[in-house]
Amino acid sequence: AQSVSQHNHHVILSEAASLELGCNYSYGGTVNLFWYVQYPGQHLQLLLKYFSGDPLVKGIKGFEAEFIKSKFSFNLRKPSVQWSDTAEYFCAVNKNNNDMRFGAGTRLTVKP
Amino acid sequence: GAVVSQHPSRVICKSGTSVKIECRSLDFQATTMFWYRQFPKQSLMLMATSNEGSKATYEQGVEKDKFLINHASLTLSTLTVTSAHPEDSSFYICSARDGKTYNEQFFGPGTRLTVL
Repeated sequence: AQSVSQHNHHVILSEAASLELGCNYSYGGTVNLFWYVQYPGQHLQLLLKYFSGDPLVKGIKGFEAEFIKSKFSFNLRKPSVQWSDTAEYFCAVNKNNNDMRFGAGTRLTVKP
Repeated sequence: GAVVSQHPSRVICKSGTSVKIECRSLDFQATTMFWYRQFPKQSLMLMATSNEGSKATYEQGVEKDKFLINHASLTLSTLTVTSAHPEDSSFYICSARDGKTYNEQFFGPGTRLTVL
């Protein structure tokens, strides 16, 4: 079945640590890939997106993600996290411009 | 940028009553709108897809008679939870797709429904 997998359920880091959140999808063919962030009590915000072109995508707040087609992956990275990055992170996939499917989410806790 | 609003942001209702949630695209025409449901500490689950002027397409397991969706114009879609029960308490989020930037959806801030 087509799915989006986020392997890390809860990640706890100290400030200044590097972050990598995994995302894999099982759709074949051309897909559009997204990472969203949801801060406590707030709505979804788009961090970055990949449609085509350079597989290394830079987003807001110092985040980036790399699309590796052969691995069906779109991992999110940030070199140095801050306490304010504490939030829930969702990977999402959209195929053929249809509805968006979300991963289960990864909760990031950054300790000051 | 594209802005999507939802109203109300929070609603508390008694069991058995119906609740209507509005989703509006403020600065673009949304040919397609999506309704999601998010339980606490869980991901977003797609409930239905609505295209302007036609019937909504519901995901498997979502009761169309309970969750009525109307997409009457290119800027407005409504979700009505009929005869609400406590198990319908959840966070309902809509998104809208611009007819021009077809790949991307823009999300509303969500509506928290609590059924007593």
